[in-house]
Amino acid sequence: DTGVSQNPRHKITKRGQNVTFRCDPISEHNRLYWYRQTLGQGPEFLTYFQNEAQLEKSRLLSDRFSAERPKGSFSTLEIQRTEQGDSAMYLCASSLVAGGYNEQFFGPGTRLTVL
Amino acid sequence: SQQGEEDPQALSIQEGENATMNCSYKTSINNLQWYRQNSGRGLVHLILIRSNEREKHSGRLRVTLDTSKKSSSLLITASRAADTASYFCATDAVLGVAQGGSEKLVFGKGTKLTVNP
Repeated sequence: DTGVSQNPRHKITKRGQNVTFRCDPISEHNRLYWYRQTLGQGPEFLTYFQNEAQLEKSRLLSDRFSAERPKGSFSTLEIQRTEQGDSAMYLCASSLVAGGYNEQFFGPGTRLTVL
Repeated sequence: SQQGEEDPQALSIQEGENATMNCSYKTSINNLQWYRQNSGRGLVHLILIRSNEREKHSGRLRVTLDTSKKSSSLLITASRAADTASYFCATDAVLGVAQGGSEKLVFGKGTKLTVNP
């Protein structure tokens, strides 16, 4: 247990539905990242926050995806009008950047299946 | 696109043997990290090595970094069945967002290690 929690752990939805995932980072960490991982691949970066500010977004993050971190603590990732290609493991990580180190601690992930 | 490329893609060894996995990357980095992932689970951080370090140890793990060759290796000594997992290297860029770079970690596809009892 890294101290990063994600809910739900599994989500099955029908194509076209909206889904929302939540991530609770390690409390003192100021950075929060979202990654997506498909079968047989490494995680791919989606977006990250420093406190409540969203500072970087990947081109993978289409306009159907939105992420928030309203008070600089937990974060939500919403996917609207889900497509089968959105099926993946969605991973959240947090870090406390200090002295050039950016050691990221990952949560257990939310596995999304779009039928 | 994935920067890190692990080699081999799959490795099967007997318990007690050593396992060596390699990672190559393309651009200048700040740090290189190794992670382990058990099937269907999240990633567990193993070790971080900075670009100005050449070797680092943690328990049964030994990591080397050769920035001139843009490569790293992870050695697990005296392997155990519980070491069975996928292992990923991840790099972060020299420049952060404020300098026009990126703060993301870039992962390879991983090495799937099987340690047979």
